[in-house]
Amino acid sequence: EADIYQTPRYLVIGTGKKITLECSQTMGHDKMYWYQQDPGMELHLIHYSYGVNSTEKGDLSSESTVSRIRTEHFPLTLESARPSHTSQYLCASSEGGRRGETQYFGPGTRLLVL
Amino acid sequence: DAKTTQPNSMESNEEEPVHLPCNHSTISGTDYIHWYRQLPSQGPEYVIHGLTSNVNNRMASLAIAEDRKSSTLILHRATLRDAAVYYCILRGLNNDYKLSFGAGTTVTVRA
Repeated sequence: EADIYQTPRYLVIGTGKKITLECSQTMGHDKMYWYQQDPGMELHLIHYSYGVNSTEKGDLSSESTVSRIRTEHFPLTLESARPSHTSQYLCASSEGGRRGETQYFGPGTRLLVL
Repeated sequence: DAKTTQPNSMESNEEEPVHLPCNHSTISGTDYIHWYRQLPSQGPEYVIHGLTSNVNNRMASLAIAEDRKSSTLILHRATLRDAAVYYCILRGLNNDYKLSFGAGTTVTVRA
């Protein structure tokens, strides 16, 4: 059973607000990831981290930012939310180091920006 | 990364086996074949992975062709809870541990 948590699960917010999506894992994994998924569409990697103080942009350009101050915590922030940010955001983690490794996903945060 | 090709959708009856094909004709010798699935309103979950030999676990079996250009995920007895999108993904030496999800196969299970 994977121990990776995301809060909030659902968020409805107005345009221009600053939001932070939380992601935490208790498995001690070095690598963490953020994916974005629109309804019925593919997942796209937007950010990833190899460890503390490491963050990289993913394959899909995103206006969001991330930080990795602690191993277990990988929050995603939108400074000024817009309707175009409406989507599902999925956090994942992996132990790293092997091509056969498994990624564990959180339940996701569904964001609606009005 | 080498690409995979999967059918858009498949239907099955409950308690019958489901065979999900995946073509990966450009696979390299060091690519692992991974399968994930995503149930409605949930994040993806790992199903199984393999390199050359067939693999079995409590969720499914993975049959890999001898030339490794295709593979088949086998759900031995489909249940309603197996209705999901199934993704076939290749992971190689240079992909920085990232997963590249395609459109996957949407599996519908009829009661």
